[in-house]
Amino acid sequence: DQQVKQNSPSLSVQEGRISILNCDYTNSMFDYFLWYKKYPAEGPTFLISISSIKDKNEDGRFTVFLNKSAKHLSLHIVPSQPGDSAVYFCAANESTGANSKLTFGKGITLSVRP
Amino acid sequence: DTAVSQTPKYLVTQMGNDKSIKCEQNLGHDTMYWYKQDSKKFLKIMFSYNNKELIINETVPNRFSPKSPDKAHLNLHINSLELGDSAVYFCASSQTRVMQPQHFGDGTRLSIL
Repeated sequence: DQQVKQNSPSLSVQEGRISILNCDYTNSMFDYFLWYKKYPAEGPTFLISISSIKDKNEDGRFTVFLNKSAKHLSLHIVPSQPGDSAVYFCAANESTGANSKLTFGKGITLSVRP
Repeated sequence: DTAVSQTPKYLVTQMGNDKSIKCEQNLGHDTMYWYKQDSKKFLKIMFSYNNKELIINETVPNRFSPKSPDKAHLNLHINSLELGDSAVYFCASSQTRVMQPQHFGDGTRLSIL
């Protein structure tokens, strides 16, 4: 039972254009959402996050949008750069007291064409 | 000055053997985790330790035994390795406060022959 779904396995965009990566979730107890970026043979690197009480968080070229009623979030990268080519994981956090448990999606492979 | 480091990076061994993977973090975090990324690429939590105390155990077989000698280290010992244990294992750490991101090591690729 996948609680976090990234339905598109891959995305290819032209350098300079916008990349939009989507993520859907089913568990309404998730309170915090994160995006991680992963290069081959490396661990996931934290990119950006958003609390469930917000609908937008921006950090430089990266913006995450949360639509809680639709249980949907998206990561926008503008402008896209070749160095952004990687696998992007959406993750959702469920807090139990001070402890947290992350559930990951399957990842989206982003290719940015020069 | 790697933040979360795992050793070894690659581990190739025979079925039935026992092996260990070590993890250390120098971020001053007090919670550490082990994840497994299988052939379908899902990253799934296995264990979580907070200040050396087991917090999360996600129905992992008893052959897997995490050990945390101190809050900066979380090692994973696997007994009687099986073919299905082949995967990439990631260690992570975070502060024990709500809405703190987890920081990951580079993974250990375990291959069972």
